[in-house]
Amino acid sequence: KQEVTQIPAALSVPEGENLVLNCSFTDSAIYNLQWFRQDPGKGLTSLLLIQSSQREQTSGRLNASLDKSSGRSTLYIAASQPGDSATYLCAVTNQAGTALIFGKGTTLSVSS
Amino acid sequence: DAGITQSPRHKVTETGTPVTLRCHQTENHRYMYWYRQDPGHGLRLIHYSYGVKDTDKGEVSDGYSVSRSKTEDFLLTLESATSSQTSVYFCAISDQLAGGLSDTQYFGPGTRLTVL
Repeated sequence: KQEVTQIPAALSVPEGENLVLNCSFTDSAIYNLQWFRQDPGKGLTSLLLIQSSQREQTSGRLNASLDKSSGRSTLYIAASQPGDSATYLCAVTNQAGTALIFGKGTTLSVSS
Repeated sequence: DAGITQSPRHKVTETGTPVTLRCHQTENHRYMYWYRQDPGHGLRLIHYSYGVKDTDKGEVSDGYSVSRSKTEDFLLTLESATSSQTSVYFCAISDQLAGGLSDTQYFGPGTRLTVL
């Protein structure tokens, strides 16, 4: 059974720092990996999707990498801002290539 | 904005009553999903649909049923609500890429359900 783990569960950093969020998964037979952002009491916003054949994706200050063989992905946030404060969720597709299996998230707090 | 709405956004009901949640999309996406989000468990898949009248079970499907009679609507029904079904329910949509794989999933705003 696929399991997704995100470490750390919470992270506090001062504004301007570069930071890395980690995601690991137990079964390397994934079809893609997606990073989401969730603000308190809100829905999920898709940040980046990495197909299994890709190594990384970039969007603005965000860069996500994927290493299928080691079962790991990282989300790099450059020059963090207070507006980046949210919970970040990592999810991989199930073996059928349809639904997502989620980690429990990393809650990020960026102080000004 | 992926054109997903959920209704109702909040609902309080009593144990044993039936409840139906609605997910509506405006962009003709093939796949639709229902997830629940609970503290300590994260998001877990309840049911999903890969076309009109085509549905399948997810990880936590017991106590739930779904229906999709048209592309734009995916209904989640709790036949007899229990307190353990108190949760936040999210609908999601995605398209199918070449090779049958699913594309990026986009989520609705969620429905907060409380079963007393």
